[in-house]
Amino acid sequence: EPEVTQTPSHQVTQMGQEVILRCVPISNHLYFYWYRQILGQKVEFLVSFYNNEISEKSEIFDDQFSVERPDGSNFTLKIRSTKLEDSAMYFCASSSGTNTGELFFGEGSRLTVL
Amino acid sequence: EDQVTQSPEALRLQEGESSSLNCSYTVSGLRGLFWYRQDPGKGPEFLFTLYSAGEEKEKERLKATLTKKESFLHITAPKPEDSATYLCAVPGLSTLGRLYFGRGTQLTVWP
Repeated sequence: EPEVTQTPSHQVTQMGQEVILRCVPISNHLYFYWYRQILGQKVEFLVSFYNNEISEKSEIFDDQFSVERPDGSNFTLKIRSTKLEDSAMYFCASSSGTNTGELFFGEGSRLTVL
Repeated sequence: EDQVTQSPEALRLQEGESSSLNCSYTVSGLRGLFWYRQDPGKGPEFLFTLYSAGEEKEKERLKATLTKKESFLHITAPKPEDSATYLCAVPGLSTLGRLYFGRGTQLTVWP
């Protein structure tokens, strides 16, 4: 069964460092997303990406964040200068677009900022 | 303001003891309500889409229903493997795939 894969599964970094989280969405999907979940909190939308550009971003997705689809398979989230409050589980998701709310999530990348 | 409120926060059931989880929403012009399951340390897994009041969807021991103000996830004769956090979500107004999730109900089913 097709799945969304994410790497790394866990990353520990120092405050102020740049991190890149990587995702391989399901191959025939056209819509890509990043969500995050701070421990014990809701799953929150960060950004959606379609046709090689950002469709929408939340207020969380400030200038420290960027996304890129560098080739036909990868989708990345970059945080330029990490803060303590960026510590969270980051989920990549993709969808075919035929069902508004049917997203396929990866297993997540846990980011710990020290 | 929260668009989705789920209750209870946590629920413990004995195996075979049926119950229901609640999701109430405040959005107008609902364009769908979605249920997901999330296992510890994993990403959400899609379960159901409901679009209109009166609609029902079933999958194994789970049945989701929708009214004009809330949705219920009924669990019939649950098993320990049904233990998970169940999330409901509604879409945003603009972008396909932007979902607003509730905090979830953490279900534990003990043998």
